[in-house]
Amino acid sequence: NAGVTQTPKFQVLKTGQSMTLQCAQDMNHEYMSWYRQDPGMGLRLIHYSVGAGITDQGEVPNGYNVSRSTTEDFPLRLLSAAPSQTSVYFCASSYRPVHTQYFGPGTRLTVL
Amino acid sequence: GENVEQHPSTLSVQEGDSAVIKCTYSDSASNYFPWYKQELGKRPQLIIDIRSNVGEKKDQRIAVTLNKTAKHFSLHITETQPEDSAVYFCAASIGNAGGTSYGKLTFGQGTILTVHP
Repeated sequence: NAGVTQTPKFQVLKTGQSMTLQCAQDMNHEYMSWYRQDPGMGLRLIHYSVGAGITDQGEVPNGYNVSRSTTEDFPLRLLSAAPSQTSVYFCASSYRPVHTQYFGPGTRLTVL
Repeated sequence: GENVEQHPSTLSVQEGDSAVIKCTYSDSASNYFPWYKQELGKRPQLIIDIRSNVGEKKDQRIAVTLNKTAKHFSLHITETQPEDSAVYFCAASIGNAGGTSYGKLTFGQGTILTVHP
């Protein structure tokens, strides 16, 4: 049981490049979400999903896309990277939306 | 949308003392309030949570209290130890399915707790 996994752990992009952050969980959790963590600002919700085929926007969705074609996977796509997207990104999952959220190890992204 | 304010931003205590972190929230519909601990370079991990039908919950040295009327909740750590040093986050969520904000977890800005030996 690997829990929540994220790849890559580190990534450096140039402004304008696109990429996909991968997130997977093997706990058969319905709920998955993406957060970004910036110094002094806590964790801010980007997008979330309450089940396969269902996604919704969080607090800071601009510049990011998500899809949920399977229960296990919830990739986050950066369409055209900007320096303001430099951050640590965490994926999380839970059995139901208001149950314990289990976080992945995070992806540290730098946009130059 | 929901807004969660957390205080203090930093807290320094001596080993054995108690530590209290306070949070306020804005949306009266919120009914689920978890607390997460994040050690340096690690992922956040749930340490305790409380639902709105409960006023207080304890787990060994950790307790959380909730005042729904005042819309605030607090984390209490007793007999602090150096390994309690970390960043603590409170959060609030609406747990009733069917609403547009169902499942959205809003975090506070975090409190850096340092426990000095």
